Amino acid sequence: GAVVSQHPSRVICKSGTSVKIECRSLDFQATTMFWYRQFPKQSLMLMATSNEGSKATYEQGVEKDKFLINHASLTLSTLTVTSAHPEDSSFYICSASSGGSSYEQYFGPGTRLTVT
Amino acid sequence: GQNIDQPTEMTATEGAIVQINCTYQTSGFNGLFWYQQHAGEAPTFLSYNVLDGLEEKGRFSSFLSRSKGYSYLLLKELQMKDSASYLCDVRDGGKAAGNKLTFGGGTRVLVKP
Repeated sequence: GAVVSQHPSRVICKSGTSVKIECRSLDFQATTMFWYRQFPKQSLMLMATSNEGSKATYEQGVEKDKFLINHASLTLSTLTVTSAHPEDSSFYICSASSGGSSYEQYFGPGTRLTVT
Repeated sequence: GQNIDQPTEMTATEGAIVQINCTYQTSGFNGLFWYQQHAGEAPTFLSYNVLDGLEEKGRFSSFLSRSKGYSYLLLKELQMKDSASYLCDVRDGGKAAGNKLTFGGGTRVLVKP
C-alpha cells in the first residue's frame, strides 16, 4: 500500500521559534496533500489543502501567515509553524492523495509538537 | 457546509458486535469513509462507500443510505485491539472542494473483557 512519512515524529521547541514538519509520499506521486491538526480527545481538523505547484487553500480560522505550507514537488509538502506558542502544541497529521479518480487519502504517522 | 454526527463513546464486550451510526448533512457528496484511529497514531483506512448498500470487509462492514444521509460501521467479533476511535468522514465533491474530507468528532469504542 501507499506509504506517507512525516518528520520529525516528535518535536519540542521554545515559544517564539519556528518549526518545520515534512510530509513525504514514498511510493506514489501526491498531487494533493492535506494538513490536519488534532487536539487531545478531539477529531482531526483540516487546516489546509495543498496542491503541487500552487498555493495552499486554508480553512476558515487558520492563519496562513502563521502556518506556511509549501508543496514544491509531487512527493514533498512542508508545514512551518512560525513563531510557535504553547497553544500551537498539538498533533499534526498530513495525508496525501494521488488525485484524479483515486478516492483514498493516505495518512502520515503524525508529528507531536510541544511548545514550551 | 458540512455537519457530521456520531456518538461520542461506546462500550462493548469482547466477542460482541457494535454498530456505530453516523449521520451527515453536506453540500456535496463524493463518498463516505470510515477510519480507525488508536490514541497517538494517525488514522487508518477501514472502508469507503459511495453507493447505497452494505460493504463487507472481514469483521468490519459499512452501510450507506445517501437519501437519509446515514451510515453505520459494524464491528463483529470484537477484539481488545479494536478499542480505538472510529471516524466517520465525508468527502466533499467538486473541483472547488478539492475532494477534501470532513471528519466527524469520532466515536471512542472501549472493548472490555
